[in-house]
Amino acid sequence: AQKITQTQPGMFVQEKEAVTLDCTYDTSDPSYGLFWYKQPSSGEMIFLIYQGSYDQQNATEGRYSLNFQKARKSANLVISASQLGDSAMYFCAMRGPWSNYQLIWGAGTKLIIKP
Amino acid sequence: DAGVIQSPRHEVTEMGQEVTLRCKPISGHDYLFWYRQTMMRGLELLIYFNNNVPIDDSGMPEDRFSAKMPNASFSTLKIQPSEPRDSAVYFCASSPNSPGNTGELFFGEGSRLTVL
Repeated sequence: AQKITQTQPGMFVQEKEAVTLDCTYDTSDPSYGLFWYKQPSSGEMIFLIYQGSYDQQNATEGRYSLNFQKARKSANLVISASQLGDSAMYFCAMRGPWSNYQLIWGAGTKLIIKP
Repeated sequence: DAGVIQSPRHEVTEMGQEVTLRCKPISGHDYLFWYRQTMMRGLELLIYFNNNVPIDDSGMPEDRFSAKMPNASFSTLKIQPSEPRDSAVYFCASSPNSPGNTGELFFGEGSRLTVL
């Protein structure tokens, strides 16, 4: 069965440091996509970054990058030069052909950036 | 362009009352999703539509919940009668169906429901 695991329920990081949020996944399908979303305290869900299973390079979007290690089935989110506004919940999610457009969600990691 | 619009943002009601949550997806998006988020269970997919047709409603908790999408620009999620355990944040999300689309979901700001 498909599954997403986020092992860090919470993290404290000093402002301006880099942050790595862990995400491991489990699927037997060769075709899948991995997503990261941010949910600040205001509640909205904000799309950050996407990685396809066949993508040759790791995805990057500004200060966000996805450290995709296919053999290890991990898709860690890296935030460079963290800012106070990065404090939020972060969710990893996966989509595959098992059910079109259905996402499997992780439990989330609460990130707090300290000034 | 406007994002996904949900209303109301907050709703407080008493047990047994009917609750209707509304959603306007992004224009041109073919997929619409209703999610529920609670501390205990995280994000749960309730139902999703493709071109206004319900595709999978297996996540709908029970018959008290119903969802409709009468046209491409409007959907409702109704709870009748409501119960305290329905208290949650309900998200609507939409997604385009186009070549090369990654399947990214665009979420509304959510409707926070409290049932007393």
